[in-house]
Amino acid sequence: KQEVTQIPAALSVPEGENLVLNCSFTDSAIYNLQWFRQDPGKGLTSLLLIQSSQREQTSGRLNASLDKSSGRSTLYIAASQPGDSATYLCALPGSGGYQKVTFGTGTKLQVIP
Amino acid sequence: NAGVMQNPRHLVRRRGQEARLRCSPMKGHSHVYWYRQLPEEGLKFMVYLQKENIIDESGMPKERFSAEFPKEGPSILRIQQVVRGDSAAYFCASSPTGTGDQPQHFGDGTRLSIL
Repeated sequence: KQEVTQIPAALSVPEGENLVLNCSFTDSAIYNLQWFRQDPGKGLTSLLLIQSSQREQTSGRLNASLDKSSGRSTLYIAASQPGDSATYLCALPGSGGYQKVTFGTGTKLQVIP
Repeated sequence: NAGVMQNPRHLVRRRGQEARLRCSPMKGHSHVYWYRQLPEEGLKFMVYLQKENIIDESGMPKERFSAEFPKEGPSILRIQQVVRGDSAAYFCASSPTGTGDQPQHFGDGTRLSIL
């Protein structure tokens, strides 16, 4: 059974700071790993999808890395902005060839102006 | 190109009533997934459906909960005889295939409150 843990649970940083969010998982037999953003009272916005054969993906100020052997992924946010304040979730589909996704516990980020 | 549409956005029911939550997947997507987010908890998988078939319902409570995805129309998550513990945000996601190389696209969720 896949277990996904995110550290830290909450993070508060001043605007402009670079930051790293961590995700660890127990079963390395994954198809992909996805990072989402969830704003309060809202749904999930997909940020980045890393295939199991890839080591990293970049989108704008976001960079996600994947190390299957160690069961870890990181989400790097450069030059943080107040609009980045949200809960960030990492998610992995299980084995079996389809996307029964297991979500991490989330990191609640607050960027202070 | 409309995303995943869920309705209603907010639903209030009294204990013992039925709740029906609807999800229209993105155009061209035939795979639908339902997740539940209890207050202060993470999202948990409930059920995975393709058109007219339930593929995996291992996350569904054994009683009172059911899901369908008919040939025509939206996917429906039905909760009978609701109880206070059913209060949660219910999210639907869709994908074009069931394979792991495709991202899931999520709706904005239905927030169910039980009085």
